[in-house]
Amino acid sequence: DQQVKQNSPSLSVQEGRISILNCDYTNSMFDYFLWYKKYPAEGPTFLISISSIKDKNEDGRFTVFLNKSAKHLSLHIVPSQPGDSAVYFCAASAQGGSEKLVFGKGTKLTVNP
Amino acid sequence: ETGVTQTPRHLVMGMTNKKSLKCEQHLGHNAMYWYKQSAKKPLELMFVYNFKEQTENNSVPSRFSPECPNSSHLFLHLHTLQPEDSALYLCASSPRQGWGANVLTFGAGSRLTVL
Repeated sequence: DQQVKQNSPSLSVQEGRISILNCDYTNSMFDYFLWYKKYPAEGPTFLISISSIKDKNEDGRFTVFLNKSAKHLSLHIVPSQPGDSAVYFCAASAQGGSEKLVFGKGTKLTVNP
Repeated sequence: ETGVTQTPRHLVMGMTNKKSLKCEQHLGHNAMYWYKQSAKKPLELMFVYNFKEQTENNSVPSRFSPECPNSSHLFLHLHTLQPEDSALYLCASSPRQGWGANVLTFGAGSRLTVL
């Protein structure tokens, strides 16, 4: 029973356009959400996070939106660059703790030049 | 060396072998983790250590035996594994306290193949 779902295994976007990666969760106790990016042959690297007390967090080209009523979050990348091509993982935790970080399966983003 | 280093990067072993995966972090973090990533599955938390003490065992079979001799080193001892244990094993660390306590820094992983 997946608590964090990334329903799109892959996404292809043109360079300069917006990339939108989606994530849904089922556990209403989750209060902290993170996005990680993973290149081949490397470990996942932290990208951006958001606490449940916010509905938006922005860091440069990356913005995460949280819709608690829909149990949905999304990652927007604007403008997309070829170097953004990677697998993006959504993760969530309850009570702000990292021990029980629950990950989605990931979405492979390809940004075409 | 900086960050989180995992060795070996690739390991092939038979079901009767005994091997170990090693993880070392140079970040001064107090918490270390083992995650498993199987094909087409989410990352699964296996074990958590805080200040060398195991605080989480996510119902992992006993053929996986973790060891944390200090806050900088973490091992995963493997014995009598099954082919379905073939996966990417990721080590991670976090500050555990203060700013960024929820943010894990991952190693590159050890790709394990059980024949």
